[in-house]
Amino acid sequence: QVQLVQSGAEVQKPGASVKVSCKASGYTFTTYGLIWVRQAPGQGLEWMGWISTYSGTTNYSPRLQGRVTMTADTSTTTAYMELRSLRSDDTAVYFCARENWIAVAGTSYYFDYWGQGTLVTVSS
Amino acid sequence: DIQMTQSPSSLSASVGDRVTMTCRASQGISNYLNWYQQRPGKAPKLLIYAASSLQSGVPSRFSGSGSGTDFTLTISSLQPEDFATYYCQQSFGTPRYTFGQGTKLEI
Repeated sequence: QVQLVQSGAEVQKPGASVKVSCKASGYTFTTYGLIWVRQAPGQGLEWMGWISTYSGTTNYSPRLQGRVTMTADTSTTTAYMELRSLRSDDTAVYFCARENWIAVAGTSYYFDYWGQGTLVTVSS
Repeated sequence: DIQMTQSPSSLSASVGDRVTMTCRASQGISNYLNWYQQRPGKAPKLLIYAASSLQSGVPSRFSGSGSGTDFTLTISSLQPEDFATYYCQQSFGTPRYTFGQGTKLEI
């Protein structure tokens, strides 16, 4: 069965970096892209970026451009999201999700499997 | 970037009610619209993709409609497990995706 298993909770100081992992299993890793989404306490979902697990091509939210890097290791079927220069408003639960698609008169993309989430707390 | 606006932001209903919530895009997005349900402390769960296609395993009381800029999610007969927050998400701007701010469905 398809699973995305994320790394555990992190506590970091302002200005530090954090790297969250997302281990995929149960499907061919390079066939599907992955996205990262975060959710601040009591807030909605914020799309952070997308990575092609096949080519490594990325597309980041303009809000995070310059501070975020997404990578994918095909040998271990694991994706990573690194966020640098952490601020208190980066405190959130971070999710990875698999990008699936359906091609009917155009291609519609959606996110059908999600990781369990990783809480990142930024505090001095 | 495409902005998604959901209404209402919260909604009170009872078990057995029929409820509808809406999602509006800042520009036409054809049918590239998905709906998710999120329960507290859990990851989002895909309900509807391509505006009206029911994800496998999702109860048939959930349905979606719309095209262009205006979309709706309808729950035909609320069950206790349906009280959650619902998000729409556009994929027209792939891979620059955006979510709505959510509609919280409360008892």
